Amino acid sequence: AQKITQTQPGMFVQEKEAVTLDCTYDTSDPSYGLFWYKQPSSGEMIFLIYQGSYDQQNATEGRYSLNFQKARKSANLVISASQLGDSAMYFCAMSLDDTGNQFYFGTGTSLTVIP
Amino acid sequence: DAGVIQSPRHEVTEMGQEVTLRCKLISGHNSLFWYRQTMMRGLELLIYFNNNVPIDDSGMPEDRFSAKMPNASFSTLKIQPSEPRDSAVYFCASSLGQRWGSPLHFGNGTRLTVT
Repeated sequence: AQKITQTQPGMFVQEKEAVTLDCTYDTSDPSYGLFWYKQPSSGEMIFLIYQGSYDQQNATEGRYSLNFQKARKSANLVISASQLGDSAMYFCAMSLDDTGNQFYFGTGTSLTVIP
Repeated sequence: DAGVIQSPRHEVTEMGQEVTLRCKLISGHNSLFWYRQTMMRGLELLIYFNNNVPIDDSGMPEDRFSAKMPNASFSTLKIQPSEPRDSAVYFCASSLGQRWGSPLHFGNGTRLTVT
């Protein structure tokens, strides 16, 4: 069963605009972590942001914020003031179990920032 | 601090040859993951270790693949004999392994091409 769903294969955004990348997850476990990773064309996987299931506030890291809606089981990534360097694949991931060693990745969203 | 270091960055080999991919973990991390990424199948978890012990190798495609962790900071993934369908980007990642809040930190990957 798919645990992480990213329904947007590709997205376009104008430079300096904000963009939201969607992610929904599926688990009945009350304890979990949610992550977003960026993979530019150079290939490396870069950790962006983390949200714990018990965190009351939405996580933010610079221009990245995670819109966590627990009841809807969604963890959307919001990138504000898009830059050309934000063009990349973005992966949503979830970690389960009390050792944090079970990671589930979505299929990714390709973001293109248009000048 | 140095991140996860993988070598080689690129490997081109002929079908039937042995391939060894190497990974050095971030100091202090105790969980190690090997992933394979292809366009068709996305990111696939091959195996993960915790405290040098293989915990789950159900993702290893077949007996041609083997992974070892001879010490707390180093791991190898071996393919013998290699086949063209093994062509992919292989990532190593490490984490603190502390519950669900530990992000995976990825190396830059090894792009393997088997002709």
